Amino acid sequence: EVQLVESGGGLVQPGGSLRLSCAASGFTFSSHWMTWIRQAPGKGLEWVANIKQDGSEKYYVDSVKGRFTISRDNAKNSLYLQMNSLTAEDTAFYYCARGTTAPGYWGQGTLVTVSS
Amino acid sequence: DVVMTQSPLSLPVTLGQPASISCRSSQSLVHSDGNTFLNWFQQRPGQSPRRLIYKVSNRDSGVPDRFSGSGSGTDFTLKISRVEAEDVGVYYCMQGTHWPRTFGQGTRLEIK
Repeated sequence: EVQLVESGGGLVQPGGSLRLSCAASGFTFSSHWMTWIRQAPGKGLEWVANIKQDGSEKYYVDSVKGRFTISRDNAKNSLYLQMNSLTAEDTAFYYCARGTTAPGYWGQGTLVTVSS
Repeated sequence: DVVMTQSPLSLPVTLGQPASISCRSSQSLVHSDGNTFLNWFQQRPGQSPRRLIYKVSNRDSGVPDRFSGSGSGTDFTLKISRVEAEDVGVYYCMQGTHWPRTFGQGTRLEIK
């Protein structure tokens, strides 16, 4: 069974940093593009970043470029999102998902709250 | 960026009646490889989104056959033949053809 479990969310002050993790199981992690998608409370879905199977290609939404870094460790079946210079607009549930053209499996999400 | 526009944004439906959601893209979603990466997701209250349909019309495993997707180019539709109580939630279209990937605003389906 495919499982994606996010962790690392929490309360952080504006300007602070946070690193999200996503533990994958039930499939060959190294064979799939991976995605981070976020959802502000009560709002719609926003694609954040993608990373290719070997980490050689990465794509970001403009609003996070230069602040967020997506990475992966295929030996640990794990996906990461390093988030720096956080602002209140980054407050959201962050989901990891498998795939890029049609994310078919999603985790349960982890909540990031940016507030003083 | 490709803008995905859904309508309606709110959809009250009587149980057992059909429902239809439109999704229009600002650019063609036909990829250079010939595929059209238009997907539909359902998000039930308090849950993570779940993919229902991928590449316009392919239903995911476990998705009831009352859900169907159609369309081409820039104009797509999700149809529910007979709405059931478990269909309540928000429906999103998403394009996976262009960077950055983009979602529609969401359509909230409720029972009338």
